[in-house]
Amino acid sequence: AQTVTQSQPEMSVQEAETVTLSCTYDTSENNYYLFWYKQPPSRQMILVIRQEAYKQQNATENRFSVNFQKAAKSFSLKISDSQLGDTAMYFCAANYGGATNKLIFGTGTLLAVQP
Amino acid sequence: DGGITQSPKYLFRKEGQNVTLSCEQNLNHDAMYWYRQDPGQGLRLIYYSQIVNDFQKGDIAEGYSVSREKKESFPLTVTSAQKNPTAFYLCASRPRDRGSGNTIYFGEGSWLTVV
Repeated sequence: AQTVTQSQPEMSVQEAETVTLSCTYDTSENNYYLFWYKQPPSRQMILVIRQEAYKQQNATENRFSVNFQKAAKSFSLKISDSQLGDTAMYFCAANYGGATNKLIFGTGTLLAVQP
Repeated sequence: DGGITQSPKYLFRKEGQNVTLSCEQNLNHDAMYWYRQDPGQGLRLIYYSQIVNDFQKGDIAEGYSVSREKKESFPLTVTSAQKNPTAFYLCASRPRDRGSGNTIYFGEGSWLTVV
């Protein structure tokens, strides 16, 4: 089965420090896309970063970067210089293509940034 | 402004009633999706539509119905057959071109509560 697993239900980090959220996935496909979405208290899903599986270079968006390990099927998110506004639920998601092009989501990690 | 608009934001339904959640997008996206989110879980796909006048069941379609008469609109009806409809509902859309990296964009969501 094609799955996405987030094993950290909750995490906490001090403001200005760095935190890494873990995600593993399972697929037999070779071409796919991986995403991290942020869901703040407003509940809107906001795209944080995406990674194409065929690209070896890790994606980076300002303070957010990923560590994509294709062989290990691992896709972790690193947040540098954490800010209070980073407090949110973070979802890892995968699009394995096919007819639906649907996103398969992990169960989320609740990140609290402490002042 | 371009975006995905969901309405209403909050909706209360009595037992045995059908209710319809609206989703409109002006992004000229071809594909549209409905997801359901329950506490402590990720998002689960209800229905999706790749083109006008065509839609397919997702993973949890029972008790729901949709239509796609216009490219911009993808309303979701929660019928009385849905046994546990209280949840947060998210509409999403995706452009056809691969330049977006198969990214799915979300509306702000609608809360449905059964009273």
